[in-house]
Amino acid sequence: GESVGLHLPTLSVQEGDNSIINCAYSNSASDYFIWYKQESGKGPQFIIDIRSNMDKRQGQRVTVLLNKTVKHLSLQIAATQPGDSAVYFCAENSGGYQKVTFGTGTKLQVIP
Amino acid sequence: EPEVTQTPSHQVTQMGQEVILRCVPISNHLYFYWYRQILGQKVEFLVSFYNNEISEKSEIFDDQFSVERPDGSNFTLKIRSTKLEDSAMYFCAGRSGVNYGYTFGSGTRLTVV
Repeated sequence: GESVGLHLPTLSVQEGDNSIINCAYSNSASDYFIWYKQESGKGPQFIIDIRSNMDKRQGQRVTVLLNKTVKHLSLQIAATQPGDSAVYFCAENSGGYQKVTFGTGTKLQVIP
Repeated sequence: EPEVTQTPSHQVTQMGQEVILRCVPISNHLYFYWYRQILGQKVEFLVSFYNNEISEKSEIFDDQFSVERPDGSNFTLKIRSTKLEDSAMYFCAGRSGVNYGYTFGSGTRLTVV
């Protein structure tokens, strides 16, 4: 089975700096990718998504980059704010109504 | 903005007792999911539900678990005989179509004592 740890990788950034959170996926059949933000005690909140026929998608202050060759996904947050402090999960889906599979998450700490 | 609503927000139950976790999906959602998250760990898939039947389930979703959409509105997860290791946050999620993202509820924290 999968191994999961109790300690999330943590990224600490200064307020106003840009943040880059990375994610590796393993399923070559995945064609839809999502980034979620989870604040303490809350459910995952959708941030941005991207389909496998794209390599970049931009939202408000966020950009997702997809590199299918190396199965890598990243989330860039511009001008990081204290309210961005949370755990960020990448998730993947193989199409249709199938489940999303979550990665292990990265904790983002914004230093005021 | 429409929300997925889950009740209760926190449930404490004795080991061996049955619990029912409730979810009210967004009205135009067609696909429904239950996930769980043990404290400090990642979000794990339990089951997906479409057209009033289970479409996929994980190995976690054994015969102690069941799902229903009894009145075409509420979506429930039942655990027949809870174990200590069932303690987790349980999230309901839905989506309106295969081209749309998943919306998660705020979760039910289940504590089995």
